[in-house]
Amino acid sequence: QVQLVQSGSELKEPGASVKVSCKASGYTFTNSALYWVRQAPGQGLEWMGWINTNTGNPTYAQAFTGRFVFSLDTSVNTTYLQISSLKTDDTAVYYCARKKYASGYVFFDYWGQGTLLTVSS
Amino acid sequence: DIQMTQSPASLSASVGDRVTITCRASQNIYRYLNWYQQKPGKAPEVLIYGASTLQRGVPSRFSGSGSGTDFTLTISSLEPEDFATYCCQQSYSSPGTFGQGTKVEV
Repeated sequence: QVQLVQSGSELKEPGASVKVSCKASGYTFTNSALYWVRQAPGQGLEWMGWINTNTGNPTYAQAFTGRFVFSLDTSVNTTYLQISSLKTDDTAVYYCARKKYASGYVFFDYWGQGTLLTVSS
Repeated sequence: DIQMTQSPASLSASVGDRVTITCRASQNIYRYLNWYQQKPGKAPEVLIYGASTLQRGVPSRFSGSGSGTDFTLTISSLEPEDFATYCCQQSYSSPGTFGQGTKVEV
């Protein structure tokens, strides 16, 4: 069965960096793009961007350019989200999600369990 | 970016009620509209894509309608497990923006 398993919660100080992982299983990794979605406490979902699992080419929403980097390791079917120069506003749950394409429409059919990042001094 | 506006932000309902949630896009998105359900502490789960197509395994009490800028999610008869937050998402253009969510509570 398809699974996306993310790394555990992180507590970081402002200015530090963090790398969150999302390991896929149960399907051919390179067949589906993987997306990152952020959810700040008590807030809605924010589309951060995605990574092409064939080429490794990332695409970022404008709000997530500069400090955010998506990467891949296809040898272990894993995508990563790295955030540098952390700010308290980065405190959120970060989800990875698999792109599904059906009948001409795109949606997220499988999600990771989420990784809680807390940025606090 | 396309803005997605949901209403209401929250609603109170009882088991057996018919519930309707609205999502409005800031521009024409045709039928590129998805609905997700999210329970506390859990990842979202897709209910409907393409405005009205039920994802496999989703109960038939859920339905979606609309096109262009105005969309509706309807739960025909609320079950106890349906108390959750519902969120729309447009997939017409990047970024695939989400609505702010509608919390369905007792």
